Amino acid sequence: GQNIDQPTEMTATEGAIVQINCTYQTSGFNGLFWYQQHAGEAPTFLSYNVLDGLEEKGRFSSFLSRSKGYSYLLLKELQMKDSASYLCAPCDGSSYKLIFGSGTRLLVRP
Amino acid sequence: GAVVSQHPSWVICKSGTSVKIECRSLDFQATTMFWYRQFPKQSLMLMATSNEGSKATYEQGVEKDKFLINHASLTLSTLTVTSAHPEDSSFYICSVRDLGYDYNEQFFGPGTRLTVL
Repeated sequence: GQNIDQPTEMTATEGAIVQINCTYQTSGFNGLFWYQQHAGEAPTFLSYNVLDGLEEKGRFSSFLSRSKGYSYLLLKELQMKDSASYLCAPCDGSSYKLIFGSGTRLLVRP
Repeated sequence: GAVVSQHPSWVICKSGTSVKIECRSLDFQATTMFWYRQFPKQSLMLMATSNEGSKATYEQGVEKDKFLINHASLTLSTLTVTSAHPEDSSFYICSVRDLGYDYNEQFFGPGTRLTVL
């Protein structure tokens, strides 16, 4: 079956670093996406991993371990505008569908 | 990346009426579009995959006769919620997959908020 597991909520302080973990089980695998979604808005693309390892993109980094079915999103130098939901979405290997987790609501406090 | 628009942005309708939502790919031709639904504080749930020139593929549990999808051209897919009821009130989002990209990124439209009274 398909299953995505992320923490429901996290809180962090402005300027700090936060890591959002995601474990997944999918039938086939064709990469994993992280999206950011502010309340009432559509998701926006943050990162994509298809090989094991760390992908860095400015303040955001994403890590993937395919053998462990595990990924994390690392946000550095947190800003208030980073308060949003973060969605982990592996891509199904055969259908190319994105399977979304429930998302992690991040609250950044001053 | 692809630019995707949706119309309308929000709609309020009476129970029993039908509502049509348009999803347009503005800067490239999309053979595949996806329709999602999102209830408050929940994640995106894929409803169906819309294929240009052929029938849509619906996910398990989604009624194809209630949620009609038409992908008549490479830039337009429509989702019609027929005989809408209050439980259909949700945030409907479409996305397109740009095959010109190296990977399988989906670009999302801004979403349509449907409220059924």
